Amino acid sequence: GIQVEQSPPDLILQEGANSTLRCNFSDSVNNLQWFHQNPWGQLINLFYIPSGTKQNGRLSATTVATERYSLLYISSSQTTDSGVYFCAPSSPDKLIFGTGTRLQVFP
Amino acid sequence: EPEVTQTPSHQVTQMGQEVILRCVPISNHLYFYWYRQILGQKVEFLVSFYNNEISEKSEIFDDQFSVERPDGSNFTLKIRSTKLEDSAMYFCASRAGGYTFGSGTRLTVV
Repeated sequence: GIQVEQSPPDLILQEGANSTLRCNFSDSVNNLQWFHQNPWGQLINLFYIPSGTKQNGRLSATTVATERYSLLYISSSQTTDSGVYFCAPSSPDKLIFGTGTRLQVFP
Repeated sequence: EPEVTQTPSHQVTQMGQEVILRCVPISNHLYFYWYRQILGQKVEFLVSFYNNEISEKSEIFDDQFSVERPDGSNFTLKIRSTKLEDSAMYFCASRAGGYTFGSGTRLTVV
């Protein structure tokens, strides 16, 4: 099955800093989503992005399907951005989650 | 925005007991899923369901597990005889294009 690798595994930032999270996947996909898991365990959908670039406020994401990677950009980070970020491409009819990037933002 | 609703949010059960986790998917979605996440680990696929039958299941989804859509709105996951290692967060999801996840049920087996 498809393999999903996320980097870095852990990230510590001071409030206001920018960051880039990366997701590599081993096979072609027809869907890819980014999720934020908050401290209460909820999975919050950030982007549905099988290809191209999308932006939502301080967050944006880019997927280059032909090169099998996706990037999540967080600008001007806030303490509420803390949590785990998961990339999940679909193969073919189920999402396969990566191991996540744990982000901690300090004031 | 439409939501996937899961109940209960927390459940504690004794080893060997049966539990039923309940989900109400988004009403016009046709594909339904259960995932689980053991504490500190990644989210794992359990089963997918379409047209009133299982379309795919993982190796985790053994004979202790079953799913059902008993009416037009609910989607349930049953664990027949719980084990300590079944303790996890269980997520229900439904999809039309993108997937929408519920808030999860935290199951603790003691």
